[in-house]
Amino acid sequence: AQKITQTQPGMFVQEKEAVTLDCTYDTSDPSYGLFWYKQPSSGEMIFLIYQGSYDQQNATEGRYSLNFQKARKSANLVISASQLGDSAMYFCAMREGKGSSNTGKLIFGQGTTLQVKP
Amino acid sequence: DSGVTQTPKHLITATGQRVTLRCSPRSGDLSVYWYQQSLDQGLQFLIQYYNGEERAKGNILERFSAQQFPDLHSELNLSSLELGDSALYFCASSVARTGVYGYTFGSGTRLTVV
Repeated sequence: AQKITQTQPGMFVQEKEAVTLDCTYDTSDPSYGLFWYKQPSSGEMIFLIYQGSYDQQNATEGRYSLNFQKARKSANLVISASQLGDSAMYFCAMREGKGSSNTGKLIFGQGTTLQVKP
Repeated sequence: DSGVTQTPKHLITATGQRVTLRCSPRSGDLSVYWYQQSLDQGLQFLIQYYNGEERAKGNILERFSAQQFPDLHSELNLSSLELGDSALYFCASSVARTGVYGYTFGSGTRLTVV
């Protein structure tokens, strides 16, 4: 069964430093997509970055990069040069497959709360 | 503004009541997904509609139902409400049936059952 695991309930990082948020996943489908979302205290879900299972390179979006290790089934989010505004809950999510039988529903991890210290 | 509109933003109601949450997807998106975020269950997929038809069901209670209308907006109906139904309910939309081009989330409806 599909599963996303985020083992860090809470993390602290000093402002301007880099931080890695861990995510491991389990799926038997060779085609899948991995997403990271940010949820600030206001509650909205903000898309950060996407990695497809067949993508050859690790995804990057500004200060966000994804350390994708397919054999280990991990997709860790790296935030460089942390800012106070990065304090939020971060969710890793997975979508299985692209075929007609797949619906595109997302399976979410439990989330990691990141606090950036000034 | 993400392009996905959810109303109302906040809802407080009593146990046993029925409420309707509304979602207008981003223009051009045919798929609508409903998710429930609660403290004990985390983020759970409830149901998906694609172009008016139910496409997939997740952990949706029998007291809950949904539909997608011809104009593609969707409504999630929650009845016989219990304290445990208090949660943040998200709607997300995507242009494709399988979400292959990504998703846009609404800002959510925070439901409090008292």
